[in-house]
Amino acid sequence: NAGVMQNPRHLVRRRGQEARLRCSPMKGHSHVYWYRQLPEEGLKFMVYLQKENIIDESGMPKERFSAEFPKEGPSILRIQQVVRGDSAAYFCASSPSRTDQFFGPGTRLTVL
Amino acid sequence: GENVEQHPSTLSVQEGDSAVIKCTYSDSASNYFPWYKQELGKGPQLIIDIRSNVGEKKDQRIAVTLNKTAKHFSLHITETQPEDSAVYFCAASKGQAGTALIFGKGTTLSVSS
Repeated sequence: NAGVMQNPRHLVRRRGQEARLRCSPMKGHSHVYWYRQLPEEGLKFMVYLQKENIIDESGMPKERFSAEFPKEGPSILRIQQVVRGDSAAYFCASSPSRTDQFFGPGTRLTVL
Repeated sequence: GENVEQHPSTLSVQEGDSAVIKCTYSDSASNYFPWYKQELGKGPQLIIDIRSNVGEKKDQRIAVTLNKTAKHFSLHITETQPEDSAVYFCAASKGQAGTALIFGKGTTLSVSS
């Protein structure tokens, strides 16, 4: 049973470009959470999605960030017009039924 | 807003000693408290969790305790081994389990042989 998959593992973007981060949950998991981790910090919640629905986006910056979890395919976290402050590790977690959250290996975004 | 405080930020022990990490939380509605271990360059790995209807839970060398009245919970690792060296994070559910997790800032545990 494969774990949570994230790609790419490393992403480099120049300021002003778009970043797309993908997350494939574990088989049978319909709940996806995105978190951001800055160096030497804990993880900060961004958004919680179920298939085709955003349940809680209270941690998401109001501008430039969006997330989706379509009926088919992975969940996508999209960051438009990236700035240096967006450089961080982005983790997604999946859960089968609003219980334990299992994390992927993360995408490390570097903005030049 | 909701907050989780974690102490200490770094912890160094000798192999075979015990290690204790403590957390406090602010949201009275939190009812789920997981602990994660993160190794360098990897994602957090769930190692143990506890729910609010239980005061203590044990899994081999790892135990967690929860005091809901005081809003404290702790991780205890006995007979530490070098492979236990990692960053450990506590977390509390934002309200009911199944919602966002609020994380502490982490404890870097170093176990020397």
